[in-house]
Amino acid sequence: AQTVTQSQPEMSVQEAETVTLSCTYDTSESDYYLFWYKQPPSRQMILVIRQEAYKQQNATENRFSVNFQKAAKSFSLKISDSQLGDAAMYFCAYWLMTGTASKLTFGTGTRLQVTL
Amino acid sequence: GAGVSQSPSNKVTEKGKDVELRCDPISGHTALYWYRQSLGQGLEFLIYFQGNSAPDKSGLPSDRFSAERTGGSVSTLTIQRTQQEDSAVYLCASSLGGNRGVSSYEQYFGPGTRLTVT
Repeated sequence: AQTVTQSQPEMSVQEAETVTLSCTYDTSESDYYLFWYKQPPSRQMILVIRQEAYKQQNATENRFSVNFQKAAKSFSLKISDSQLGDAAMYFCAYWLMTGTASKLTFGTGTRLQVTL
Repeated sequence: GAGVSQSPSNKVTEKGKDVELRCDPISGHTALYWYRQSLGQGLEFLIYFQGNSAPDKSGLPSDRFSAERTGGSVSTLTIQRTQQEDSAVYLCASSLGGNRGVSSYEQYFGPGTRLTVT
């Protein structure tokens, strides 16, 4: 079974600084997808960034980028120029579709605080 | 366009009562998912629909939980004889489905239903 581990329950960053959130996963598959979701206090899960495992190039979405290390099964999220609105829970998620199964497996989340 | 909507936003029920939670996916999305988010268990997958069929029900915790989807659109998650451990936020998500690359698999979530069993 696939597992996703986020070892940082909480992180703090100053406004305008850069922070990296860690994620590791365990799988025996070679083709899968990885996602980072943000969950603010409103509860709505918002997709931040995606990475296809077959792509070597790291995904980037504006201030958000990932460091995808497939051999190490690591998928960290870097937030540059942090803003107050970035404060939220961040979840790393693994997705694989095999046969009839299709689901996201989530890590336990990292709570990000952004300070002035 | 409209996102995934869920109702009710909050539900308080007495132990032993049945509850129904509703999810309206994004129009045109053929895949629909239910997840549960609780303090002790984190985010757990419950069930996956492709169209009106549920090929993966592996996450439903007991036979008190059931779900259906009609017209390839609205889905209802039903919990019978609720227990206190059922208290959680129930999240619904939808995706395009099919096999059109990563955009087919990106899941968009609703705001959730917070269920409290007293």
